[in-house]
Amino acid sequence: EVQLVQSGSEVKKPGESLRISCKGSGYSFTNYWISWVRQMPGKGLEWMGRIDPSDSYTSYSPSFQGHVTISADKAFSTAYLQWSSLKASDTAMYYCARHRLKGVYVDAFDIWGQGTMVTVSS
Amino acid sequence: DIQMTQSPSSLSASVGDRVTITCRASQGINNDLAWYQQKPGKIPKLLIYAASTLQSGVPSRFSGSGSGTYFALTITSLQPEDVATYYCQGYYSAPITFGGGTKVEI
Repeated sequence: EVQLVQSGSEVKKPGESLRISCKGSGYSFTNYWISWVRQMPGKGLEWMGRIDPSDSYTSYSPSFQGHVTISADKAFSTAYLQWSSLKASDTAMYYCARHRLKGVYVDAFDIWGQGTMVTVSS
Repeated sequence: DIQMTQSPSSLSASVGDRVTITCRASQGINNDLAWYQQKPGKIPKLLIYAASTLQSGVPSRFSGSGSGTYFALTITSLQPEDVATYYCQGYYSAPITFGGGTKVEI
């Protein structure tokens, strides 16, 4: 079964760092781009950025550039989303999602992780 | 950046009704448009890609149309299990953008 499994929910304080993960299985992880999507409580979907797991090339939405870092470890078929200094406004559900076609960097997302809820509160 | 504008933001219809949701792109995106369904408390699910191609396993009552700047998602006979929020997504260029969502209720 093709799936993306994300790490569990997190509760952090403002200013703390965090890395969440997204592990792919059931397919060749390096063949498909992975995107990250934010959904704030009660709000819509926002694309944050993407990574090519084959070479870790990344690109970001201007809205998130400089505030998050996307990385991947192809040996572990895992992509990561990390923050160096969290803010309360980072409280949201975060999804990883696989691009539908091999090697296509702009595409629809056919497989989604189950989501990781990040809560930032003092 | 290309903006995606959905309408309406919410709608209420009866079981069996034909429902249409529209999505307008701020500039032409060919047919690089997807539709997703997100049920309450669940993850988004891809329904349609390339504006009109049904994803495998999606019921045939869902259909997509349009190209360029104007797109539509139609549910031909609304079912109780279709209660969800629907999002369009333009993926012609980066940044990939989503519409604001349409909440469908019975």
